[in-house]
Amino acid sequence: GDSVTQMEGPVTLSEEAFLTINCTYTATGYPSLFWYVQYPGEGLQLLLKATKADDKGSNKGFEATYRKETTSFHLEKGSVQVSDSAVYFCALDQGGSEKLVFGKGTKLTVNP
Amino acid sequence: DSGVTQTPKHLITATGQRVTLRCSPRSGDLSVYWYQQSLDQGLQFLIQYYNGEERAKGNILERFSAQQFPDLHSELNLSSLELGDSALYFCASSVEARTGYEQYFGPGTRLTVT
Repeated sequence: GDSVTQMEGPVTLSEEAFLTINCTYTATGYPSLFWYVQYPGEGLQLLLKATKADDKGSNKGFEATYRKETTSFHLEKGSVQVSDSAVYFCALDQGGSEKLVFGKGTKLTVNP
Repeated sequence: DSGVTQTPKHLITATGQRVTLRCSPRSGDLSVYWYQQSLDQGLQFLIQYYNGEERAKGNILERFSAQQFPDLHSELNLSSLELGDSALYFCASSVEARTGYEQYFGPGTRLTVT
């Protein structure tokens, strides 16, 4: 079945460092890909998405490009802030349906 | 604030009991989804309702059931509770954007079974 694999965390960075969180997927068909962020004690927030190959999703300085050839959707940010500390989830919609399949999440801590 | 509300925020109950979790979707959203987040299983899709009808089912146990009412709020019923049912339960609702559906999540209900 469809699945998402994220890099194991936790990830600890200093403020203004470059961030990459790797995400690869296995899917039949052409799923849409998503990054969600969960701040402590809160629900998930949609961070960005891409719906077809070579699409780039971007929001709040974060970017991810839908790479069909490598089945990847890595999240990047050029300069992280303390406020970016959260858990990040990569997800796809299973079989193009509205059922989301999530990775296990990667916890990011940014120190001042 | 996503606009999706869930009650209660926390629930503590004993094994064998039954609980009901409630979700109100964002105004105008017809779809409601339920997800379970646990340490061992991660985030898993349970079930989706669209305008009162069940639309999709995921890894939902037979002891669990859900419904969506005419005012579009939804309830997730968990019965014969076991210790392993302790988890965060999220509700989401969706809007169809220009580039496909986007799901917006509520703050969750933390269920502790003792």
